[in-house]
Amino acid sequence: DAMVIQNPRYQVTQFGKPVTLSCSQTLNHNVMYWYQQKSSQAPKLLFHYYDKDFNNEADTPDNFQSRRPNTSFCFLDIRSPGLGDAAMYLCATRLPGHSYGYTFGSGTRLTVV
Amino acid sequence: TQLLEQSPQFLSIQEGENLTVYCNSSSVFSSLQWYRQEPGEGPVLLVTVVTGGEVKKLKRLTFQFGDARKDSSLHITAAQPGDTGLYLCAGEGGGGSNYKLTFGKGTLLTVNP
Repeated sequence: DAMVIQNPRYQVTQFGKPVTLSCSQTLNHNVMYWYQQKSSQAPKLLFHYYDKDFNNEADTPDNFQSRRPNTSFCFLDIRSPGLGDAAMYLCATRLPGHSYGYTFGSGTRLTVV
Repeated sequence: TQLLEQSPQFLSIQEGENLTVYCNSSSVFSSLQWYRQEPGEGPVLLVTVVTGGEVKKLKRLTFQFGDARKDSSLHITAAQPGDTGLYLCAGEGGGGSNYKLTFGKGTLLTVNP
């Protein structure tokens, strides 16, 4: 059973039209992450939550926002998508502690038209 | 900025051959993780190494963490077509960032039957 679930798997949005991607987890992990992965590139961290504490990466554009209403859910809001925002968006969770790896969802492939 | 240099970037071999993928950095990491990612899916954790000099084996895969915890390698013995995928190394805990994962650019492995 999938433990980190991302919806939708594929999202097509219009240039400039706000879009929200969702992530839910059944693992009760404290830490949740959003990564952006463009074709043939490594995942790039956008931001992460440790419980309710939000941590934004310095180079994450203001166009990207996030919400975590409870432990299980986390949302990525793109306020005005541009063509350059087309990518795979990956959600991941983990427990604190160096021995634990990350559990990734299957991702949402975002297309901007 | 912590960087993980992963090599080679592309690798195409015949079934039955052995291969090694390298992951190097000037930063010290508290843990080093290896993931495998298939097209259109999120990365799946293969192994986490924590102790300098540590060696872990997962069937035909052998992972090693350097003594100084700055580098790692993945060795695959007798590669099979099912091993095809993108292999990502990722370091955590470098530079005081305990809950952030820095990814290498990945090695795209193709194993031909």
